[in-house]
Amino acid sequence: QVQLVQSGAEVKKPGASVKVSCKASGYTFTNYYMHWVRQAPGQGLEWMGIINPSGGSTSYAQKFQGRVTMTRDTSTSTVYMELSSLRSEDTAVYYCVRAGLFNEPDIGEEDYWGQGTLVTVFS
Amino acid sequence: SYELTQPPSVSVSPGQTARITCSGDALPKKYAYWYQQKSGQAPVLVIYEDSKRPSGIPERFSGSSSGTMATLTISGAQVEDEADYYCYSTDGSGNLNYVFGTGTKVTVL
Repeated sequence: QVQLVQSGAEVKKPGASVKVSCKASGYTFTNYYMHWVRQAPGQGLEWMGIINPSGGSTSYAQKFQGRVTMTRDTSTSTVYMELSSLRSEDTAVYYCVRAGLFNEPDIGEEDYWGQGTLVTVFS
Repeated sequence: SYELTQPPSVSVSPGQTARITCSGDALPKKYAYWYQQKSGQAPVLVIYEDSKRPSGIPERFSGSSSGTMATLTISGAQVEDEADYYCYSTDGSGNLNYVFGTGTKVTVL
């Protein structure tokens, strides 16, 4: 069965960086795009970007361009999301979300969510 | 940047029909997806590709799309349907750029 296991909670100071991992299992890692989504406390869902684990190509939401980097390690079936220059507004739960369609970025009929990683930014 | 606009809240009595709208310029050419999120839980996909229902989702959930508006309908709403609902789509620019709607709190009382 498809599983996405994310790294544990992080506490960071403003200006620091955080790197969240998402280890995939139960399917062929390079066949499905991975999205990253975040949700600040009491706020809505926010799409951050997407990575194609096959070639490593990425696309980021305009809001995060210049601050976010998504990478993957095919040897461990893990994707990473690094966010730099953290500020208090980045306090949120970060999710990796596997797309449902083979080799396509769209969600399709089914998607799979990691358990979420809480990142807290405060001084 | 591209936006999907939803009403902040919708209230419905049990057994009645709730309709949640999602407005976006690219919806005539791009699919809408709908997520349900209950308090403290991860989102759950309830409608994909405008009107299709994933397996396990009750038949009372349905979706439609016309022009620049997509609609999620809950027919015969149940108390357990009380949640936040988000539409989700892409901006149609040809780049991989996705966006969630602003979210709608559905209250069933």
